[in-house]
Amino acid sequence: GNSVTQMEGPVTLSEEAFLTINCTYTATGYPSLFWYVQYPGEGLQLLLKATKADDKGSNKGFEATYRKETTSFHLEKGSVQVSDSAVYFCARGGDAGGTSYGKLTFGQGTILTVHP
Amino acid sequence: NAGVTQTPKFRVLKTGQSMTLLCAQDMNHEYMYWYRQDPGMGLRLIHYSVGEGTTAKGEVPDGYNVSRLKKQNFLLGLESAAPSQTSVYFCASSYKGAQHFGDGTRLSIL
Repeated sequence: GNSVTQMEGPVTLSEEAFLTINCTYTATGYPSLFWYVQYPGEGLQLLLKATKADDKGSNKGFEATYRKETTSFHLEKGSVQVSDSAVYFCARGGDAGGTSYGKLTFGQGTILTVHP
Repeated sequence: NAGVTQTPKFRVLKTGQSMTLLCAQDMNHEYMYWYRQDPGMGLRLIHYSVGEGTTAKGEVPDGYNVSRLKKQNFLLGLESAAPSQTSVYFCASSYKGAQHFGDGTRLSIL
């Protein structure tokens, strides 16, 4: 079945450090890929997405590129802030053209803590 | 701009009690989902619905029932709560795109 594997956390960084959170997915087609962020006590919010190979999703300084050849969708940010402290989830949708009804498969989440 | 609203936000139950979690969305989305979130396991799909009057099982449906009598509402029921159902429950909705999430219901079963 479909699965998503995320880099295990927690990740602790100093402010202005470079961030990478790795994500790989099972490749049974051409799924849409997503990164969600969850702040304490809140639900998940869409951070960025990509729908086809070589697409780059970006938002709030975060970026991720859809790499079909390595089945990866790594999240990066050049300079993190304390306010970026949260849990980050990678997710894959169903294969393009399939009948997945919008269902997502999530990775286990990566806790990020940024210190001043 | 409510989006997805879940009630209640917190609840404590005793083993064997029943309750219903409510989810409402105002975006006219066809698809709705119930997840549970447990430490180290990400989100797991319990049940989902692709339209009014339809429901389907997800990854972990046992012990839960759902109903979608109106397009905007998706109810999750626990008929006889068990300690293993202690979790944070999230509702989401979508239509051919990213899912939109509520703020969750934190449920403890004693």
